[in-house]
Amino acid sequence: DAGVIQSPRHEVTEMGQEVTLRCKPISGHDYLFWYRQTMMRGLELLIYFNNNVPIDDSGMPEDRFSAKMPNASFSTLKIQPSEPRDSAVYFCASSSEGYGYTFGSGTRLTVV
Amino acid sequence: AQSVTQLDSQVPVFEEAPVELRCNYSSSVSVYLFWYVQYPNQGLQLLLKYLSGSTLVKGINGFEAEFNKSQTSFHLRKPSVHISDTAEYFCAVSDRGGATNKLIFGTGTLLAVQP
Repeated sequence: DAGVIQSPRHEVTEMGQEVTLRCKPISGHDYLFWYRQTMMRGLELLIYFNNNVPIDDSGMPEDRFSAKMPNASFSTLKIQPSEPRDSAVYFCASSSEGYGYTFGSGTRLTVV
Repeated sequence: AQSVTQLDSQVPVFEEAPVELRCNYSSSVSVYLFWYVQYPNQGLQLLLKYLSGSTLVKGINGFEAEFNKSQTSFHLRKPSVHISDTAEYFCAVSDRGGATNKLIFGTGTLLAVQP
């Protein structure tokens, strides 16, 4: 199993541009999570899905952030328009049976 | 609401010395408990987990943790650390038998192993 796959690994963009982060979960996992990690706030849960349906998006910072899961093997996190304070490492994780997550390697986003 | 407290933001230790990383949790229901490790520029990797049964849980890389319900703690230990153990360690909790699968993470403890 290739694990949770995230792309791109690094993204540098200018303020105001749209950014799309991608995630492929482990096959058979029915939960998918998006986290953001910064020095100031640590790991923050942004949103999670169960069987492709968004369950809790209370962690999404504002309307500029949106996430979709069109099928069991793909999810996106979009920021439009991006701002410098969105700079962080964004992790995707998947799980099944409720017992711990498998994390991807993350996308390091820098907004200049 | 659940919460996780990792009291130490950084723990310096010499190579081959024992180490304990502390984790306390707060929850109104029974919980599952986890420790994750994050090496520089990598994602989080599961070290060990407590779901049920024996309160002493053994994980990868020689780590173990003990669940103490009365003290609501899940401290991580290793009898002899190596330079390669230098990393950030996160404690996490989720509801046992809850309708959600949500993990709540602590703020992390940086284990800095010195030669």
